[in-house]
Amino acid sequence: AQSVTQLGSHVSVSEGALVLLRCNYSSSVPPYLFWYVQYPNQGLQLLLKYTSAATLVKGINGFEAEFKKSETSFHLTKPSAHMSDAAEYFCAVSGSGANSKLTFGKGITLSVRP
Amino acid sequence: KAGVTQTPRYLIKTRGQQVTLSCSPISGHRSVSWYQQTPGQGLQFLFEYFSETQRNKGNFPGRFSGRQFSNSRSEMNVSTLELGDSALYLCASSILQGVRYEQYFGPGTRLTVT
Repeated sequence: AQSVTQLGSHVSVSEGALVLLRCNYSSSVPPYLFWYVQYPNQGLQLLLKYTSAATLVKGINGFEAEFKKSETSFHLTKPSAHMSDAAEYFCAVSGSGANSKLTFGKGITLSVRP
Repeated sequence: KAGVTQTPRYLIKTRGQQVTLSCSPISGHRSVSWYQQTPGQGLQFLFEYFSETQRNKGNFPGRFSGRQFSNSRSEMNVSTLELGDSALYLCASSILQGVRYEQYFGPGTRLTVT
């Protein structure tokens, strides 16, 4: 079975500071990993995805994530936080082919202080 | 392309009633998945339909059912509503990218059971 773990439920950073949101995965097969963002009263928006073509993945809004197989991690980072980054962030893993269901972590709420 | 649309956006029902939610996928997407989001359980996979057939199913009771039409639109039905069914129900449409499906989410239907 595949799973992801997001430690902590809330991260608070100052505007302009580094954002680091952690995600660790468990998978017996090469994982397909995703980060989604959810703004209040909205659905999920895909931030970025791990394609196995490159370990450092760049996404939208200046976010990027690095896949580290040795650490079974896929942490999300952004060099400089903006007020508009305040939202809930979900790490997810899926299988391949017909096994496409997403298994999500619990999510992390990011707050950005002025 | 238009995104995933879900109707209605908000719904209030009474315990014991049934409800039907609708999802229109992105044009050309043949796979539609449904997820339930609650504060306690997070995001959980309900089921997935592909070409009018249920392809994957999560661990939900039989009160939760769905179907997909020939135009890929999907509906999910919950019968004999319970208070615990209050949640945000998210629909995602998917398209195969290589060996992996990428899922695009709609805004969700907020169901409140009183």
